[in-house]
Amino acid sequence: DIQMTQSPSSVSASVGDRVTFTCRASQGISHWLAWYQQQPGKAPRLLISAASSLQSGVPSRFSGSGSGTHFTLTISSLQPEDFATYYCQQATSFPYTFGQGTKLEIK
Amino acid sequence: QMQLQQWGAGLLKPSETLSLTCAVSGGSFSGFYWTWIRQPPGKGLEWIGDINYSGSTHYNPSVKSRLTISIATSKNQFSLQLTSVTAADAAFYYCARGYASGTYADAFDIWGQGTMVTVSS
Repeated sequence: DIQMTQSPSSVSASVGDRVTFTCRASQGISHWLAWYQQQPGKAPRLLISAASSLQSGVPSRFSGSGSGTHFTLTISSLQPEDFATYYCQQATSFPYTFGQGTKLEIK
Repeated sequence: QMQLQQWGAGLLKPSETLSLTCAVSGGSFSGFYWTWIRQPPGKGLEWIGDINYSGSTHYNPSVKSRLTISIATSKNQFSLQLTSVTAADAAFYYCARGYASGTYADAFDIWGQGTMVTVSS
């Protein structure tokens, strides 16, 4: 299985801050990476697919980049509704696997 | 707008069979990978498996020997059966739509509301 490792596991930030999360794959996955946001008690929400393709309806302050084994998700200016847990997921080989998540907390 | 509505028993005893169904409404049922994903409380996400309109499946090896995913195209529904459950299977179970730009699913863009499954004697 391809292992997905996210860092940091948690981060504290303030409204208006710029934050970047990292996701690393144990082997190259080209650009087949998705990012999800999960609020407590809710199903995950797809933010970005194919490493950098923003889903319809997702604010433009979210952006993704990377290829191969190193990927990043950036939120350019944090809003109150952005405090949640973020997961990356590889879609290059079965079984699909997720990172362990990065929890974004309010400072 | 497409919606996924799921249901099934939420409390099981060890060794029983978990059965969940997900109904798809508001859009095409073909052309996607209908997927099950689970999440133990407070933990991360685990892809369980998927099925397409033709009935072709992919299963996670971690549960493959106990898992069956089936599809009822006439009802726009797909289902999960997991046999011989243990405490390790306790989790929120989500159904989801996997969309593909290529051969297989790229990502999961529509999710069901989730079902909490508890395993206790």
